[in-house]
Amino acid sequence: RKEVEQDPGPFNVPEGATVAFNCTYSNSASQSFFWYRQDCRKEPKLLMSVYSSGNEDGRFTAQLNRASQYISLLIRDSKLSDSATYLCAAKGLTGGGNKLTFGTGTQLKVEL
Amino acid sequence: DAGVTQSPTHLIKTRGQQVTLRCSPKSGHDTVSWYQQALGQGPQFIFQYYEEEERQRGNFPDRFSGHQFPNYSSELNVNALLLGDSALYLCASSLGDRVAGELFFGEGSRLTVL
Repeated sequence: RKEVEQDPGPFNVPEGATVAFNCTYSNSASQSFFWYRQDCRKEPKLLMSVYSSGNEDGRFTAQLNRASQYISLLIRDSKLSDSATYLCAAKGLTGGGNKLTFGTGTQLKVEL
Repeated sequence: DAGVTQSPTHLIKTRGQQVTLRCSPKSGHDTVSWYQQALGQGPQFIFQYYEEEERQRGNFPDRFSGHQFPNYSSELNVNALLLGDSALYLCASSLGDRVAGELFFGEGSRLTVL
């Protein structure tokens, strides 16, 4: 079983829609979690860190459920410019330092 | 303030050849990590260098080796290239190798092995 798993999609949604991605992790020792955005053929860029209390940044909301070992990303009022691949990542496995373990990414396509 | 820079941006090699990729960390950072991202996959951790030593290593064969220089820049070397080594190679830098250290990624070096 992969340490971090995501539905690869693609998720095709109309502009203005709300879309949610989930990501599950297998190692309960993971300490920190993140969502990265990756545009085609570019490097990953940090979108949000994920906290147990949930955090929101404009149209984006991230949440962590440690009991069920999953993290989520909600995007409201989708824009064409949100089209990208969204990677979830875990950090802080025992002895792992700041090594990131990524999922395979979920592709989002926002359409007119 | 220069971010993470990598070179070359693109390169093409043939099977059996060797390749060296280079990374300069973000100003003020002293730790460099390398990741391999195959098409349609998430980045996979190769190894991390701190204080000129390899501190952690992912599940990659010995054909993958690296080095960190006193100025904190780093090289990734891959010997005896295989078709499956074709990927985007990402360098990430941080201040220290502790959990709290945020990673900043370079734009990557795209390697194609023919």
